Amino acid sequence: GEQVEQLPSILRVQEGSSASINCSYEDSASNYFPWYKQEPGENPKLIIDIRSNMERKQIQELIVLLDKKAKRFSLHITDTQPGDSAMYFCAASVPYGNEKITFGAGTKLTIKP
Amino acid sequence: EAAVTQSPRSKVAVTGGKVTLSCHQTNNHDYMYWYRQDTGHGLRLIHYSYVADSTEKGDIPDGYKASRPSQENFSLILELASLSQTAVYFCASSEDTTNERLFFGHGTKLSVL
Repeated sequence: GEQVEQLPSILRVQEGSSASINCSYEDSASNYFPWYKQEPGENPKLIIDIRSNMERKQIQELIVLLDKKAKRFSLHITDTQPGDSAMYFCAASVPYGNEKITFGAGTKLTIKP
Repeated sequence: EAAVTQSPRSKVAVTGGKVTLSCHQTNNHDYMYWYRQDTGHGLRLIHYSYVADSTEKGDIPDGYKASRPSQENFSLILELASLSQTAVYFCASSEDTTNERLFFGHGTKLSVL
């Protein structure tokens, strides 16, 4: 099945700077790439997603890039704020439904004041 | 915002005992899922269901059963709990399986002693 590698597992950045999380996948049939944010003690929530017909998507300070040739996608958070401290999970999904979504191991992001 | 409620929020079980985790959604979603979260492994799919009275195996179903008695309710059953099943369990729902957003519950922290 699909394998998703997510790096780094731990990331600490200064408030106001940018944070980048990188993911890679194996199955070239994967066509949907969501990102979930999980704050401490909370449930994971979808924050942004990108489909294979796009290379870049931005929602406010969140930017997702997709390189289908390299089978890599990444999340960039610009102008980080304390509220961005959380666990972030990338995922990849083949076009057969959510039962085929595979999550990365997660990145714990800490924003230093 | 779609609502997925899990109970209990935490549970301590003895090895060899039976554990039932419950999930209730008010989203009118057909699809429901059980995931397990372990440090370093992200979220892994245990069982899922797309219609009442039917369940499907996910990626790591061994040691778990699932029950979907109605559209709103989805249970995860550990007939003989083991130490290795200590983890946080998340229930999720989605409108369908065509790469749609997952709505997660707040999780159940299970400790098997």
